[in-house]
Amino acid sequence: GENVEQHPSTLSVQEGDSAVIKCTYSDSASNYFPWYKQELGKRPQLIIDIRSNVGEKKDQRIAVTLNKTAKHFSLHITETQPEDSAVYFCARGNKLVFGAGTILRVKS
Amino acid sequence: DAGITQSPRHKVTETGTPVTLRCHQTENHRYMYWYRQDPGHGLRLIHYSYGVKDTDKGEVSDGYSVSRSKTEDFLLTLESATSSQTSVYFCAIRDSFTEAFFGQGTRLTVV
Repeated sequence: GENVEQHPSTLSVQEGDSAVIKCTYSDSASNYFPWYKQELGKRPQLIIDIRSNVGEKKDQRIAVTLNKTAKHFSLHITETQPEDSAVYFCARGNKLVFGAGTILRVKS
Repeated sequence: DAGITQSPRHKVTETGTPVTLRCHQTENHRYMYWYRQDPGHGLRLIHYSYGVKDTDKGEVSDGYSVSRSKTEDFLLTLESATSSQTSVYFCAIRDSFTEAFFGQGTRLTVV
């Protein structure tokens, strides 16, 4: 009940296109859902997070949606740029259990 | 760097030896975490702490123990290192309504 399933494991998009990464979880008590970006050789850094009392949150080109009934949440990146290329991780809860990550490649 | 420091940054050790990694914070955050990161496995939680002397196991806790005797320090110990514990280890800190901040990581090689 603690795992977070993250899909896809790799994603290639053309510059300017949108990218969507989805995570599912089973622990209905989770109420905090952050997304982290990790560039090669660096530490993970938060890009956006959402709490269970909100269904969607946006920050410029990045948005996160949460469906508590279906127990999934998604990261949306619009107008992708080469510098968006990185590994993205979702996580859930105070225990901060992470998904396995998605390698995003933005082709210019 | 959000007031979090890991030491050492790199370590090579022999199989069977004990190893302790240290995570130090100056933010007075309640939660502290230890993860290991391996290719294809993302960030896997080893142990976490929700206060002084309050710790709990994560998904890959076998072979690891932790200690949190004061707010600022969270120690991860490999009692008898094995080659399967070769990995990059990240510490993270968080408070109840803040994001988690990660340390720079410790690259551990067990030979």
